[in-house]
Amino acid sequence: DIQMTQSPSSLSASVGDRVSITCRASQSISSYLNWYQEKPGKAPKVLIYATSSLQSGVPSRFNGSGSGADFTLTISSLQPEDFATYYCQQSYTTPRTFGQGTKVEIK
Amino acid sequence: QVQLVQSGAEVKKPGASVTVSCKASGYSFTGYTLHWVRQAPGQRLEWMGWIDAGSGNTKYSQKFQGRVTITRDTSAGTGYMVLSSLRFEDTAVYYCARELDRGLGRWFDPWGQGTLVTVSS
Repeated sequence: DIQMTQSPSSLSASVGDRVSITCRASQSISSYLNWYQEKPGKAPKVLIYATSSLQSGVPSRFNGSGSGADFTLTISSLQPEDFATYYCQQSYTTPRTFGQGTKVEIK
Repeated sequence: QVQLVQSGAEVKKPGASVTVSCKASGYSFTGYTLHWVRQAPGQRLEWMGWIDAGSGNTKYSQKFQGRVTITRDTSAGTGYMVLSSLRFEDTAVYYCARELDRGLGRWFDPWGQGTLVTVSS
């Protein structure tokens, strides 16, 4: 199975901050990397698919980059509604696997 | 709009089985794969398996092989996940999700709202 490792596991930031979350796969996964946002009591929602494609309706302050085995999700200016947990996921092969999540909290 | 609606919360005893349904609307049900993912308290999302809603072909995570069965009813536009021989550690929120497959990407959208399964004696 492909292991996905995110860092950090949690972070505290203020509204307006630039925030970056990294995700490393245990092998190359080409561009098959997605980012999801999860809020308490809600299902995950896709933000970025295929490494850098912004899902329709997602604000442009979310940006994805990377290739091979190393990927980054950047939020350019954190907004109050962005406080949530973020997961990366590889869709290169089965089993589909997820990172452990990064909880973004208010400083 | 494209939507997946899951069945309600369940409480089961150890050793029992649970069935979670996932009704699709707003898209051609047989044109996509339907995946099942669970999240135990404080744990990461965990993929369980998928079904090709058109052909009925399935693939399961090795972790759940032998305990999980995923089926679909094309006339009802509904997928089903049965998990048997339940253990306390199967307490989790179970999600269904449609997978989109476009060129260099595959991703889950939408997700069902989640079904809490509690295993308790």
